[in-house]
Amino acid sequence: EADIYQTPRYLVIGTGKKITLECSQTMGHDKMYWYQQDPGMELHLIHYSYGVNSTEKGDLSSESTVSRIRTEHFPLTLESARPSHTSQYLCASSGVWGTANSGANVLTFGAGSRLTVL
Amino acid sequence: SQELEQSPQSLIVQEGKNLTINCTSSKTLYGLYWYKQKYGEGLIFLMMLQKGGEEKSHEKITAKLDEKKQQSSLHITASQPSHAGIYLCGADLNQKVTFGTGTKLQVIP
Repeated sequence: EADIYQTPRYLVIGTGKKITLECSQTMGHDKMYWYQQDPGMELHLIHYSYGVNSTEKGDLSSESTVSRIRTEHFPLTLESARPSHTSQYLCASSGVWGTANSGANVLTFGAGSRLTVL
Repeated sequence: SQELEQSPQSLIVQEGKNLTINCTSSKTLYGLYWYKQKYGEGLIFLMMLQKGGEEKSHEKITAKLDEKKQQSSLHITASQPSHAGIYLCGADLNQKVTFGTGTKLQVIP
């Protein structure tokens, strides 16, 4: 039973279209993340948020933008999609695992959104 | 350069065989996570290691963090087709979770 939901699962669109990938979690987690995954398996962090009104760029530069107006919602938007944006996008959230002092950062992932731009 | 390197990159084993996947870091690991991903889906958390020398097992999967806390291994005993997928290690580096390069496992019945 998923606690983090991504929609759409699959999207095929034309170049120049604006798209928004939705991500919602019901666990009350403060931290949320967007990863882009290559066909070769590597995950690259493109955006993260530590709470409402907090957004940061990740390690991989991305033309996408994110917003965090509510704790449970972390949508990703591409204003003008291009074929180079074709990829799998994974949303995740994390909370403290075990004791409050453990500092562990276990991520719960959504099922992913596979975007194809023609 | 990758901060977390996994080896091998891919692995094909016969059902019933044992196998090991390694994850090596260029920095000291303070939290090491193992995840599994089935094709086209999200990642499923397997286990977490925090202390040097720590070893954890779940069913037929065992993970260990070495004493120096710069390498972890994931060992699968008597592999089954259900073990097939992509295995990724992740670590708390630079205050974010960074993932390894991934290992694709195929198990032939």
